[in-house]
Formats: sequence, C-alpha cells, structure tokens
Amino acid sequence: AQKVTQAQTEISVVEKEDVTLDCVYETRDTTYYLFWYKQPPSGELVFLIRRNSFDEQNEISGRYSWNFQKSTSSFNFTITASQVVDSAVYFCALTPYNFNKFYFGSGTKLNVKP
Amino acid sequence: GAGVSQSPSNKVTEKGKDVELRCDPISGHTALYWYRQSLGQGLEFLIYFQGNSAPDKSGLPSDRFSAERTGGSVSTLTIQRTQQEDSAVYLCASSLLGQNEAFFGQGTRLTVV
Repeated sequence: AQKVTQAQTEISVVEKEDVTLDCVYETRDTTYYLFWYKQPPSGELVFLIRRNSFDEQNEISGRYSWNFQKSTSSFNFTITASQVVDSAVYFCALTPYNFNKFYFGSGTKLNVKP
Repeated sequence: GAGVSQSPSNKVTEKGKDVELRCDPISGHTALYWYRQSLGQGLEFLIYFQGNSAPDKSGLPSDRFSAERTGGSVSTLTIQRTQQEDSAVYLCASSLLGQNEAFFGQGTRLTVV
C-alpha cells in the first residue's frame, strides 16, 4: 500500500524565518517517485520538485531545499528566509514506477506573516 | 496549449442534474489524471488514463461518475444525478508518457445546490 503523511496541518512563521515541512511516506515498491507541489490561494497546483527513489542526493533551489532519506522514508522540504509569497498549501506526493496514480498527503498550510 | 485547461472554471448546478467537466491536457501528454479536492481537504484520486484507456478507475466514488478520453487528448468527467456531497474542485492533470511530473489545470469548482 502507498501512503503519504504530512503531520503538520498548519504552520505559521514570521517572514525571514526558516521553516521545514515534513513528509513521511510508505511504499513497498523499490522504484518510486516523490514530489512536492505548492497550491497558492489561486488554487492551481504548482510543481516544485521530483525525486526518484534511487537518488538520495539532497537538492537546493534558491531558498528551497529538499532532504530525502530512504532510511526514515522521509522527504522534507525547507524554505529558508521565508517570504509572504510562500504562503500556500504544500503537498507531498508519491507515485509508483508506472505513474498510474499520485498519492498525495493531506497538505500543510503555511502562513508567512510580515 | 501551453498548459492544462479545464472548463468550466465554475459550475453551479441543481441537485439531481447531470454535469460534464472538460479537460484539455498539454499537447502530447499521454497520461491524464482526475482528482477531486473538497473544501480544505487533500486531493482524492478519481481516475487515470493512459492514452484513451483507463487502467485505473478505482477512485470513482460511485457509478454516477464516469469519464472518457477521446483521441488521446480531451477528457470529460461526467457526474450524473449530482448530490450535494459532489461539491468540490475537480482537478485534471497530465504528464508526458507518465514518466514525469504531472501538470495540473486550474480546476473546475462544482457547487451542487
């Protein structure tokens, strides 16, 4: 069975603070893919990153960084020096090797206050 | 088109009526997904198409829901005899050969009154 858990329902930070969004997944597949999506108030989901199960190298993109650890089945997302525009709901997702379905976590709502 | 396009963007319908929601995927994308998002909730999988075939319909909530895809492109999600619990945002996504990230449309907000 596939499952993605985002235990943090809502997080509030003050601008310029760093914040980490947690994602824990369950799968029996050896090949799978992990994703993060951002859903701003406008509603459209915006793709942020994809990572395959064989690539545990962490990635940094500007103020965003991702920490993938297979040992703990986690794929955490850190925003450094948060900004008000980062306010959104963030979804972590998992798909098996055949991409027949994206399993989404319940999302974490991030509020960045000025 | 440049992105996934869904129409209508908003739909208000009376309980018991049928509705059709349309999705135009990104050109060349063979994989297409329908998801449903209720207010303040996560994304609920409905159906997956690879080309015109739907190998995974496991998420359709009831037999009132059906979907088709023609020409490996446009998809239509049909809800018959709508109920108030069908009210949600219906999201469509497409991806290239099912091997990359899925790109989502802006969704259709369905309200059943």
